[in-house]
Amino acid sequence: DAMVIQNPRYQVTQFGKPVTLSCSQTLNHNVMYWYQQKSSQAPKLLFHYYDKDFNNEADTPDNFQSRRPNTSFCFLDIRSPGLGDAAMYLCATSRDRGQLNNEQFFGPGTRLTVL
Amino acid sequence: AQSVTQPDIHITVSEGASLELRCNYSYGATPYLFWYVQSPGQGLQLLLKYFSGDTLVQGIKGFEAEFKRSQSSFNLRKPSVHWSDAAEYFCAVVLSNFGNEKLTFGTGTRLTIIP
Repeated sequence: DAMVIQNPRYQVTQFGKPVTLSCSQTLNHNVMYWYQQKSSQAPKLLFHYYDKDFNNEADTPDNFQSRRPNTSFCFLDIRSPGLGDAAMYLCATSRDRGQLNNEQFFGPGTRLTVL
Repeated sequence: AQSVTQPDIHITVSEGASLELRCNYSYGATPYLFWYVQSPGQGLQLLLKYFSGDTLVQGIKGFEAEFKRSQSSFNLRKPSVHWSDAAEYFCAVVLSNFGNEKLTFGTGTRLTIIP
């Protein structure tokens, strides 16, 4: 089945130690998104890629970076995690831009714990 | 700016009872509306969506939603809930700005089912 896969499902890191979260998709979608979801809150968009074009949200901290080496994979790098970065990180994809193509498909998420 | 409001933070219903979750949006143009469900520790699953056409939309798991332009609402309904419906439900709208589609979520409604 075509799907969005996130690895690992649970990640524990130390304060200030860089961490990378992975997302892959078999849907061959052009757009990939990263969301941060803190406990009991709605997902918050961090950034997205349209093909190779990176689109950062204005309020996303510089501590968060992303890479998309090819269509299938997208990575979220947190350069120096703080305690406030503990959250569920959700990856999503959509087929393309445009209103009829913007349904987003979500992965299961990676829960990040910062010690 | 567009916004999505889910007035009910937490709803408790008995198994077998009917359910209605409220969603109101503030958006100037025709909205593209979605309902997602999130089980604990999981990603988001699309229940249904409204783009245009028939204002009563059928989704998965027996859910339906009705778009009412006059009330700026897109309420989610189910005639008879099952214990497995216990989850967090998010209403969302897409900013229809071609080239920068952004999914804006409501704050979510947590559904508890009692036997």
